[in-house]
Amino acid sequence: QSALTQPASVSGSPGQSITISCTGTSSDVGGYNYVSWYQQHPGKAPKLMIYDVSNRPSGVSNRFSGSKSGNTASLTISGLQADDEADYYCSSYTSSSTPRVFGTGTKVTVL
Amino acid sequence: EVQLVESGGSLVQPGRSLRLSCAASGFTFDDYAIHWVRQAPGKGLEWVSGISWNSGSTGYADSVKGRFTISRDNAKNSLYLQMNSLRPEDTALYYCAKDMQGGSYYSGAPLDPWGQGTLVTVSS
Repeated sequence: QSALTQPASVSGSPGQSITISCTGTSSDVGGYNYVSWYQQHPGKAPKLMIYDVSNRPSGVSNRFSGSKSGNTASLTISGLQADDEADYYCSSYTSSSTPRVFGTGTKVTVL
Repeated sequence: EVQLVESGGSLVQPGRSLRLSCAASGFTFDDYAIHWVRQAPGKGLEWVSGISWNSGSTGYADSVKGRFTISRDNAKNSLYLQMNSLRPEDTALYYCAKDMQGGSYYSGAPLDPWGQGTLVTVSS
């Protein structure tokens, strides 16, 4: 099972909006509404930010939103803040031999 | 507070074995599937293994199948990963993570929360 494809890096200025893409296939992202997004600050454990494509867990800022079109899911961060600088990983359920696959990861830089 | 605490990581020679543990607290442990996810230094996340609430179903990534064994002890609120025939490419920070929604490891449910990880280094 190949990793989902994400851009290596995305950057934006404080207050701006950025979008991170996550591209898979019809066997994972495109076939199921089970896409999650995780935020990971340096030296910290991943934190769930979005699940089931567009749902936010309790406590996660509404500046974070998710969507999906075809085989590509997206995470949008609006009103970019310094603390949003981190690595972001998407994940999807997959019909392959293993039930889940992660994306390659995207480093978000706040300029 | 839901908490997962991993332990057991260390420096080990190639071909040797190691057993990781994950102690859970703050939730009804035997209601949920639990997973191991690893992250090699400077690299991305890789799902390693998962186990259903009653140990009835387990799954492994192709990269560890036949060498790693996941297990759990619901009476002790603990998860384990027995790692045999270790290779240098198994070097990583190993996280345990709780399935957010239910007891089957083979679902699309997100992982939340995650522990802080335990470091395994395979080197001679």
